[in-house]
Amino acid sequence: SAVISQKPSRDICQRGTSLTIQCQVDSQVTMMFWYRQQPGQSLTLIATANQGSEATYESGFVIDKFPISRPNLTFSTLTVSNMSPEDSSIYLCSARRGGHEQYFGPGTRLTVT
Amino acid sequence: AQTVTQSQPEMSVQEAETVTLSCTYDTSESNYYLFWYKQPPSRQMILVIRQEAYKQQNATENRFSVNFQKAAKSFSLKISDSQLGDTAMYFCAFMKHASGGSYIPTFGRGTSLIVHP
Repeated sequence: SAVISQKPSRDICQRGTSLTIQCQVDSQVTMMFWYRQQPGQSLTLIATANQGSEATYESGFVIDKFPISRPNLTFSTLTVSNMSPEDSSIYLCSARRGGHEQYFGPGTRLTVT
Repeated sequence: AQTVTQSQPEMSVQEAETVTLSCTYDTSESNYYLFWYKQPPSRQMILVIRQEAYKQQNATENRFSVNFQKAAKSFSLKISDSQLGDTAMYFCAFMKHASGGSYIPTFGRGTSLIVHP
């Protein structure tokens, strides 16, 4: 298995500012992902974080708004830029290690005022 | 594109009873994986059970079992002897099989299960 931690666990931010969320896995993984989840709703994939190269974004998500880094096989960051109240959500980091099971972090609950 | 449908937004069950959560999916693939994930309130999502499409035998993990009907594209989860700790959001997920594991799962909208004492 893989244990994933995220920082911060929650934050309240002002409109127009940016927040960077960190994701740390306790062991090397092949794939890392960032999801957005509205409370009580399903998961929406934002992007796949690629080690050493630009992230692969899903339709509706762009790099300028959600820049992602993945400097190595255990760490990734997601920045939510120029935030608006519509960005209020739970952001989940996820990872997979070669197999088919996907591991999830505890999430970062973001509120934009 | 694959779609995953969970038609029951909410369900409830009495402790010690059995409950079945429904999931249907749409795909033209013949080789794929199906999953049930559990997300307890304010806690991390974890894998409950996995089924490979090429296996006819239904997967079982302790009190959790699935009814996999490939022709009907149905993948229901049965929870036996429900416990209070089973209270959670349950997500059904589909993923195509690919060498190297490069495919990304598609999740359903989830079913909120409440177990009553």
